[in-house]
Amino acid sequence: QVQLVQSGAEVKKPGSSVKVSCKSSGGTFRNSGLSWVRQAPGQRPEWMGVIIPIFGTPHYAQKFQGRLTITADESTSTAYMALDSLTSDDTAVYYCARDHGHYGSGRYSLGMDVWGQGTTVTVPS
Amino acid sequence: DVLLTQSPLSLPVTLGQPASISCRSSQSLVHIDGDTYLNWFQQRPGQSPRRLIYKVSNRHSGVPDRFSASGSGTDFTLKISRVEAEDVGVYYCMQGTHWPWTFGQGTKVEIK
Repeated sequence: QVQLVQSGAEVKKPGSSVKVSCKSSGGTFRNSGLSWVRQAPGQRPEWMGVIIPIFGTPHYAQKFQGRLTITADESTSTAYMALDSLTSDDTAVYYCARDHGHYGSGRYSLGMDVWGQGTTVTVPS
Repeated sequence: DVLLTQSPLSLPVTLGQPASISCRSSQSLVHIDGDTYLNWFQQRPGQSPRRLIYKVSNRHSGVPDRFSASGSGTDFTLKISRVEAEDVGVYYCMQGTHWPWTFGQGTKVEIK
């Protein structure tokens, strides 16, 4: 059974960067999409981007283009999410989640069926 | 971006009674391939979200059959036939048809 285990909580200064890891076990890492979703306090979840390790190319929501980097290391079955130029608006719980979608032509998502435990990132104002 | 609007935002329910949550989209969620990628999630207090339903009405493996969902185009519904204590939490719809994927604002289900 696939499990996703994320790195621990972070407190960051405004203007700095954060990098969160997501280690997969118990399944086929390289063939599945790995999405990153964040949830600010009291807010709806917000989808940020996805990577399919076998292809290596990430896809980002336009809102995060330019300051979000998603990567995957097949040798360790670990995905990473790096977010730059942090502000207090980036304070949220960040989740990685397995995404059963199609990210070629005519992309779609069936939603995320396995989730990490979440990583709290706090950026004090 | 596609806006998903859920109602109600808060839903107090008596144990054993039914519950119904609506999710309306700002545009049709029919994909160019003909399918509709509307999914539902449950988030229990202090937990990560959990997928309940995918593609409008397909229950995820292990989800109790008291959960059902339906809809088409822009209007979708999640129903719980008989609410149990473990169903307490926030329910979100999510669309995977139009880039970027978006979520509804959530409906909080609580026991009266």
